[in-house]
Amino acid sequence: AQTVTQSQPEMSVQEAETVTLSCTYDTSENNYYLFWYKQPPSRQMILVIRQEAYKQQNATENRFSVNFQKAAKSFSLKISDSQLGDTAMYFCAFIDHYGGSQGNLIFGKGTKLSVKP
Amino acid sequence: DTGVSQDPRHKITKRGQNVTFRCDPISEHNRLYWYRQTLGQGPEFLTYFQNEAQLEKSRLLSDRFSAERPKGSFSTLEIQRTEQGDSAMYLCASSLSAGGLDEQFFGPGTRLTVL
Repeated sequence: AQTVTQSQPEMSVQEAETVTLSCTYDTSENNYYLFWYKQPPSRQMILVIRQEAYKQQNATENRFSVNFQKAAKSFSLKISDSQLGDTAMYFCAFIDHYGGSQGNLIFGKGTKLSVKP
Repeated sequence: DTGVSQDPRHKITKRGQNVTFRCDPISEHNRLYWYRQTLGQGPEFLTYFQNEAQLEKSRLLSDRFSAERPKGSFSTLEIQRTEQGDSAMYLCASSLSAGGLDEQFFGPGTRLTVL
């Protein structure tokens, strides 16, 4: 079974600093996608960044970047120049390339990030 | 298009009552998913539709739960004889196609409280 593990239930960072959120996963698939979703308090979940497993280059989206280590099955999110609006729950998620038999995302338990002024 | 919408946003009910939630996906999105999120956990898959066909159901979806997507447009999720353990946020998501090629867009969720 595919699993996603986020070992940091809560983290905090000072505004303008850099923070890294950890995620590991387990799968026997070779071709898959990994995601980081952001869920602000009382607001809907939005996609932050996506990584395709067959691409060696790490994905970046403005202040957000990932460190994807396929052999280690590790997928961390780095947020640079943290802003107060980055305060949210962050979920790491996995889906295999063709959506498998279910096509659903498999989520970790999340990391609650607080950005302090 | 304003994104995925869900109604109601909050529902409080007494144990044993039936409840129904609605999800309106982004138009032309073929895939529609239902997830359940309990406090302190990530979303867990319940079921999904490809157009009007319900293709998969999680073991979390007991026989008290039923979902429909008539005509491949909006979807409803009904819970019969609610139990306190059903209290959770019910999230709907939609995407153009399967797998990771297309982003799943999430709605704001329906928060269910069973007293």
